Amino acid sequence: AQSVTQLGSHVSVSEGALVLLRCNYSSSVPPYLFWYVQYPNQGLQLLLKYTTGATLVKGINGFEAEFKKSETSFHLTKPSAHMSDAAEYFCAVSGNSGYSTLTFGKGTMLLVSP
Amino acid sequence: GAVVSQHPSRVICKSGTSVKIECRSLDFQATTMFWYRQFPKQSLMLMATSNEGSKATYEQGVEKDKFLINHASLTLSTLTVTSAHPEDSSFYICSARGQTGNTEAFFGQGTRLTVV
Repeated sequence: AQSVTQLGSHVSVSEGALVLLRCNYSSSVPPYLFWYVQYPNQGLQLLLKYTTGATLVKGINGFEAEFKKSETSFHLTKPSAHMSDAAEYFCAVSGNSGYSTLTFGKGTMLLVSP
Repeated sequence: GAVVSQHPSRVICKSGTSVKIECRSLDFQATTMFWYRQFPKQSLMLMATSNEGSKATYEQGVEKDKFLINHASLTLSTLTVTSAHPEDSSFYICSARGQTGNTEAFFGQGTRLTVV
């Protein structure tokens, strides 16, 4: 069984400030971890993913995340927020097989103020 | 990344009618397709998983007779909401994954269904 917990349904930052979106997971098997972004009335776009190998993964739009097994965490960061980063962000976990389904967290809305 | 096209993006229908939503993988063969439902300001809830040529596997609590899923080809899956009711109004999203071992699923743009 898998689950994802995203701390904070809303996170507010100023433009240029550090973005930190928290994600903790539980999984009975070695996990694959994902961050997706969703803009209003649109589907999901993959920001980055961790499968195996390097625990610090870099994604699109300057985002990165670090897999910390000991903390069962996969927090998403960006050094400097941009207005265009305002969106809903979902953390997801799956098992490490081609048959695994994604389990999503409840999402975090990122608000960016000028 | 690969492209998944979902159509229509918005649909309004009357109670009691049926609505079909299409999900197409445009540049890859989707052996597995997933259908999700998303309520306002909430996460995605998996409704069903379908493999090409097989019957869909529905999640607990999802009425298979109400939400008909067909995955007849490697590039097309459809979700038909039968006898729609206002409580079926929601945002429906499909995703598609290629051959086994590929970890990434690509998402369609979603369909906003409003039943009046």
